[in-house]
Amino acid sequence: SYELTQPPSVSVSPGQTARITCSGDALPKQYAYWYQQKPGQAPVLVIYKDSERPSGIPERFSGSSSGTTVTLTISGVQAEDEADYYCQSADSSGTSVVFGGGTKLTVL
Amino acid sequence: EVQLVESGGGLVQPGRSLRLSCAASGFTFDDYAMHWVRQAPGKGLEWVSGISWNSGSIGYADSVKGRFTISRDNAKNSLYLQMNSLRAEDTALYYCAKDHDPGRGIVAPDYWGQGTLVTVSS
Repeated sequence: SYELTQPPSVSVSPGQTARITCSGDALPKQYAYWYQQKPGQAPVLVIYKDSERPSGIPERFSGSSSGTTVTLTISGVQAEDEADYYCQSADSSGTSVVFGGGTKLTVL
Repeated sequence: EVQLVESGGGLVQPGRSLRLSCAASGFTFDDYAMHWVRQAPGKGLEWVSGISWNSGSIGYADSVKGRFTISRDNAKNSLYLQMNSLRAEDTALYYCAKDHDPGRGIVAPDYWGQGTLVTVSS
């Protein structure tokens, strides 16, 4: 099985832009998905298929892809965005899913 | 509104078995693949297993292969995880989740339940 690599932590001040990266060899061929998880809560999907935003997710959340790296960008970060963020992808066989190790976003 | 309610967790001794259930509502259950994802205390998300809408495709993480069995009953809108030969490292909060796209393989969870806690300890 393959791996997805994320930085353990990212810190930004309120109003700035946070960028969280996720790297994996399969990413040029497979879509990436991003989840936000706050303490004591279940994960919430914030980006699907690299760059699509589910209904109800604020426009400040966006996603992009370039080669073996996908990026979650949060523009104009707010205190409520402080959470753990996970990237996820699937293998080409359609029978396996992998998560990145997670990135803790701290809003200073 | 999508609702996923897990049950069946608890304290179990190493080597014993446990069966988790997930009751689904608010969507057409037999249109979607389903997942089990776990999270050990203070750790990240770990995909455990997935099953396609018609049970034709099933996958497991290497860490549980040969010990866990996923199944579904579309008539009952329910998902199951049979866990055998449990180990201390299986201790985690187990989430049930539906896949994002209907009719496809095991790709990506979108809606998640609140989880059921499994503790493996003597």
